Amino acid sequence: DAKTTQPTSMDCAEGRAANLPCNHSTISGNEYVYWYRQIHSQGPQYIIHGLKNNETNEMASLIITEDRKSSTLILPHATLRDTAVYYCIVRSNTNAGKSTFGDGTTLTVKP
Amino acid sequence: GAVVSQHPSRVICKSGTSVKIECRSLDFQATTMFWYRQFPKQSLMLMATSNEGSKATYEQGVEKDKFLINHASLTLSTLTVTSAHPEDSSFYICSAREALIIGEQFFGPGTRLTVL
Repeated sequence: DAKTTQPTSMDCAEGRAANLPCNHSTISGNEYVYWYRQIHSQGPQYIIHGLKNNETNEMASLIITEDRKSSTLILPHATLRDTAVYYCIVRSNTNAGKSTFGDGTTLTVKP
Repeated sequence: GAVVSQHPSRVICKSGTSVKIECRSLDFQATTMFWYRQFPKQSLMLMATSNEGSKATYEQGVEKDKFLINHASLTLSTLTVTSAHPEDSSFYICSAREALIIGEQFFGPGTRLTVL
């Protein structure tokens, strides 16, 4: 499974959009981009995933570049409860695919 | 989304004892379950992958005789930390992959183990 690179930390003002980048330059053709977040002392929570098209759900939007070497998770209106560590993971959707976590981005939403 | 539970949520034990942690998929069948360990201020580290009815596959550096994994049914996997020592104190998280929708992976709430 491909490795990802994320900034260590980011701040965002409450109510504003939070844009979290992720580089995955070694992603292969059958690997998806997954985003999870982890609030302190809890298990990771699924946010969104995509293969090559941009995706949107009730939590966030995922923008994947055309060459698929990077992506951005967008939280459109960040709230204080969105403060968490956000993990970008790339893995295949075969039975052999497994989620390997990098260090993630610590997002702090400030009032 | 699908729900994965863990029991207990936290456990304190004496050094040398064994501790069993249960992971259940509550509303779906999981052919594959994963066990992670997380030390304070660090990321999740994959320990092992277990498939229902077969032996677990351990990541490099993880002792299979110390961390016993059993995946006896499509809804239950257990991790037993044998002869626990203080350095085994950690946050243990399981994850389950749904059989019908390949790729979807759901995480449990975690178990905080403290070994005195």
